[in-house]
Amino acid sequence: QSALTQPASVSGSPGQSITISCTGTSSDVGSYNYVSWYQQHPGKAPRVMIYEVSNRPSGVSNRFSGSKSGNTASLTISGLQAEDEADYYCVSYTTSSTNVFGTGTKVTVL
Amino acid sequence: EVQVVESGGGLVQPGGSLRLSCVVSGFTFSSSWMHWVRQAPGKGLVWVSRITSDGSSTSYADSVKGRFTISRDNAKNTLYLQMSSLRVEDTAVYYCAISDGAWGQGTLVTVSS
Repeated sequence: QSALTQPASVSGSPGQSITISCTGTSSDVGSYNYVSWYQQHPGKAPRVMIYEVSNRPSGVSNRFSGSKSGNTASLTISGLQAEDEADYYCVSYTTSSTNVFGTGTKVTVL
Repeated sequence: EVQVVESGGGLVQPGGSLRLSCVVSGFTFSSSWMHWVRQAPGKGLVWVSRITSDGSSTSYADSVKGRFTISRDNAKNTLYLQMSSLRVEDTAVYYCAISDGAWGQGTLVTVSS
């Protein structure tokens, strides 16, 4: 159950687009379309931003989008805003019927 | 509005036990898979355990298998995590989470002598 691999940090200027990658294996990301993305602000509980690779829950801005190719899932934030500065985590279902989180990415808005 | 509220955290000695509870309201609890996720101070999220909507199937991270037990009472809209043989490395904020849904604010478990 090794953690999925995410870049430690990603940064961008307001209005720009950034993409966070989440690399797993054929035993997790590559096997199912059950990848979700969570946003966590300091001292707060995580909030789901994307589920099942590319679905957005109601209330989540359409600036957030998700995709997957092979063993790598991606979260794209377009029109970056100051409020998007937070930690982001991916999570995937696995062939062992468990779940595994990514290592987390700190997004900084310059 | 969906509300998820954990309780039961606290300070416990190594080798001790603790039971966490999570009450869900404003949501059809009995229809959703539920998870426990933990976060050690300053660290990332770690998945701990999952239970299906009817409680018939459970799953655990290797690090807690055999020591933790997840269960639910759909009549009480409540999720539980029974933790035993606790270790210092189990120290974390424990979150209750609706699958692909709302999370609680977490309850802190500190394992220390």
